[in-house]
Amino acid sequence: SQQGEEDPQALSIQEGENATMNCSYKTSINNLQWYRQNSGRGLVHLILIRSNEREKHSGRLRVTLDTSKKSSSLLITASRAADTASYFCATARDNYGQNFVFGPGTRLSVLP
Amino acid sequence: GAVVSQHPSWVICKSGTSVKIECRSLDFQATTMFWYRQFPKQSLMLMATSNEGSKATYEQGVEKDKFLINHASLTLSTLTVTSAHPEDSSFYICSARDILRGAPETQYFGPGTRLLVL
Repeated sequence: SQQGEEDPQALSIQEGENATMNCSYKTSINNLQWYRQNSGRGLVHLILIRSNEREKHSGRLRVTLDTSKKSSSLLITASRAADTASYFCATARDNYGQNFVFGPGTRLSVLP
Repeated sequence: GAVVSQHPSWVICKSGTSVKIECRSLDFQATTMFWYRQFPKQSLMLMATSNEGSKATYEQGVEKDKFLINHASLTLSTLTVTSAHPEDSSFYICSARDILRGAPETQYFGPGTRLLVL
């Protein structure tokens, strides 16, 4: 079974709007992380939320975690063109936080 | 802080040749590094976990004799694609854990290496 499946797979919005991406997973986790990838580049760590946390904020980012539904959401408020990227959620297969399993990602396009 | 570099950033080679990709942690020591492969418009797939001073652990379906990994120091891991074929063309990304700062579960990613095998 695949961990970390995001939806939607692609999302286009206007600058200034909010963007919401969802991630579902299948097994129990210690934490879930969100990463951003600009086209053809490496990944940038955005935020980590632990299994005992329900919500976390970082600047314009808000992440929620619902362990009962095995799902997480990433909200980007007041989006900017520079937010255009692919966003991935990642969960670890082990208790040491290694062996990440990434979802297929959401490709976000923010139009000026 | 926690910067990871990769070299080269892109490489084109002929089928049958070997290509070496370097992954370096620039400002921290990484006892563990990870190698991922990413095909166009797809997600990252973990290929192997590289531990300093020991043999790498490969994911199921990844040929260890084809993708040679060496983690000889706390700041350098190398991935060698041996006898490369066009189907090996992909984006290869490494990551490293900085266990001394930040959340130990966080991985810091390199910028990736794009390999094109002709």
